Amino acid sequence: DIQMTQSPSSLSASVGDRVTITCQASQDITKYLNWYQQKPGKGPRLLIYEASNLETGVPSRFSGSGSGTDFTFTISSLQPEDFATYYCLQYEDLPPTFGGGTKVDIK
Amino acid sequence: EVQLVESGGGLVKPGGSLRLSCVGSGFTFSDYGMNWVRQAPGKGLEWVSSISSSGGFRYVADSVKGRFTISRDNAKNSLYLEMSSLRAEDTAVYYCARDADRGSYWDFDYWGQGTLVTVSS
Repeated sequence: DIQMTQSPSSLSASVGDRVTITCQASQDITKYLNWYQQKPGKGPRLLIYEASNLETGVPSRFSGSGSGTDFTFTISSLQPEDFATYYCLQYEDLPPTFGGGTKVDIK
Repeated sequence: EVQLVESGGGLVKPGGSLRLSCVGSGFTFSDYGMNWVRQAPGKGLEWVSSISSSGGFRYVADSVKGRFTISRDNAKNSLYLEMSSLRAEDTAVYYCARDADRGSYWDFDYWGQGTLVTVSS
């Protein structure tokens, strides 16, 4: 199975801060990586697909980059509604596997 | 608007069985692969099982192989997960998720709100 190492596991930030989360795959997954946001009691929401493409309707402050084994997710200016947990997902190979999550809370 | 609504969760004893359902609306259900993903309390996400649009291809995680069966009824816009020989470690919120129409499997775009399964005596 492909292991996804996501870091950090948590971070504290203020409104307006730039936030960066990384995911490293245990083998080459080319571009097949998504980023999701999850709020308590809700299903995940797709933000970024194929590593760098913004899902329709998602604000442009969210972005993704990377290919191969190293990927980065960025929120350019954190908004109050962005406090949540974020997950990466690789779907290059079966089984699809998720990173451990990053909880973003208020500093 | 795409909607996925899960049901069927509840409290079940170890060794018991349960059937989860997911009804899709706002899209042509029969055109999309569908999936189950679970999340144990306070933990991360774990893929469980997938089924192709026609139902001809099915995949299941090793952790549930031989115990869980995925199926679908396109006439009813419904996805199912039959769970048997349940264990405490199967306790989780179970989400159904749709494959995006981008030519890849397991590229999950829409998710339901989840249904909680608790395995306990």
